[in-house]
This record gives sequence, structure tokens and C-alpha cells, in this order.
Amino acid sequence: DGGITQSPKYLFRKEGQNVTLSCEQNLNHDAMYWYRQDPGQGLRLIYYSQIVNDFQKGDIAEGYSVSREKKESFPLTVTSAQKNPTAFYLCASNRQPQHFGDGTRLSIL
Amino acid sequence: SQQGEEDPQALSIQEGENATMNCSYKTSINNLQWYRQNSGRGLVHLILIRSNEREKHSGRLRVTLDTSKKSSSLLITASRAADTASYFCATDRGGSRLTFGEGTQLTVNP
Repeated sequence: DGGITQSPKYLFRKEGQNVTLSCEQNLNHDAMYWYRQDPGQGLRLIYYSQIVNDFQKGDIAEGYSVSREKKESFPLTVTSAQKNPTAFYLCASNRQPQHFGDGTRLSIL
Repeated sequence: SQQGEEDPQALSIQEGENATMNCSYKTSINNLQWYRQNSGRGLVHLILIRSNEREKHSGRLRVTLDTSKKSSSLLITASRAADTASYFCATDRGGSRLTFGEGTQLTVNP
């Protein structure tokens, strides 16, 4: 079945550690997005990519990095510079309507 | 910043009742979309209404758009316990991105 796969479902980060969240899609979509969702709140855009080898900062890019080397993959790295990384991270593809993965919940150890 | 603002923030109703959620936005849009999110899951697209449309239906969903008031409403008729979820509006202002609101948490009690 076509869709978006995010892994892992749960992730724990130690102080000073970088962690990478995986997002893979087999929908042949050009555009991909990363959002952060805090409890009881809406989605805030971290980074997005409209095409392979190109990406743009969203509203809250500080402390995060991405790459887009393949159309199918858009991994997000949460760096140690992100001081409050605990959140639910959602990946989406297609400009609209957007198709979402089931998220990765990141917590601090 | 989030353009869409949903109200109410939370809504609790009985099964069989209708649920109405509202979304307001600040700048002109190309279209407005509604998404649903079950707890701990990703968002699922429900319906899209273009700026030149006033009303759209899909099954038990009815969406209206009033561009003069910069607002939209989502009506779910004959609600079911399975409709319990968060509902988000998202606006397309052109460009490559959507802007999501804060969401309405709907609880349908059996």
C-alpha cells in the first residue's frame, strides 16, 4: 500500500545528543514537510522540501536540520542545539492535500 | 505563526447530535482544508473548499466558507463515538505551504 512511514514511533534523546527521525514515502510526491506538534496545540512547520536536493526553513527551523537526497526520503535531525525537543513530530507529503505519517514522539532522558 | 484559529477549543456532545466547529483566518486564501487527527496519529484530510465556493458536502460533513468574514465552519451531522478526534483547519495562501490552526478537540459520548 502507498503511504508515509515514520520511524521510530518513540525516541529518547540524551543531553548533547543528535537524533534523526526517518520519513519515507512511496506516493511519488515531490513535496515533503516536517511539523512539530506540542500537547493540545496545532502544527508548526519546521522544514519543507519541494524537490530533491532542495529544502526551505519553516517557522521553527532553529535546532533542526534536514536533507533530501532521494525523492522518497526526508529525514529530520534534532540537534543538541534544540533545547526543548520534547514533542510529537509529523512528516507529510504532497502540497495539498497533505498526506501524513503516524508521527514520532520524542522525549528527553 | 498560525493563521487559522478554531473555536471552540473543545466540544463535547452526545452521539447522534450535530457538531459544529469554526475556523477564522486573517489573510486572503486560495482554499481552506479540514483535517482530522485521532489521538497519537497523523492527520487525515477530510475536505477542501476553494475560495470561490460557499458550501461543500462529503457524507456527513458539511463545510461552509465565508470569505467576507474570513471564516469557515465544519458541521458533522449525526455524530458517532468514532468521530471523537481533533479537527484542524488549514489555509492555502499560495506558495508551497499550508498554515494550520490550533484545532478543536471533539468528544462524542456514547
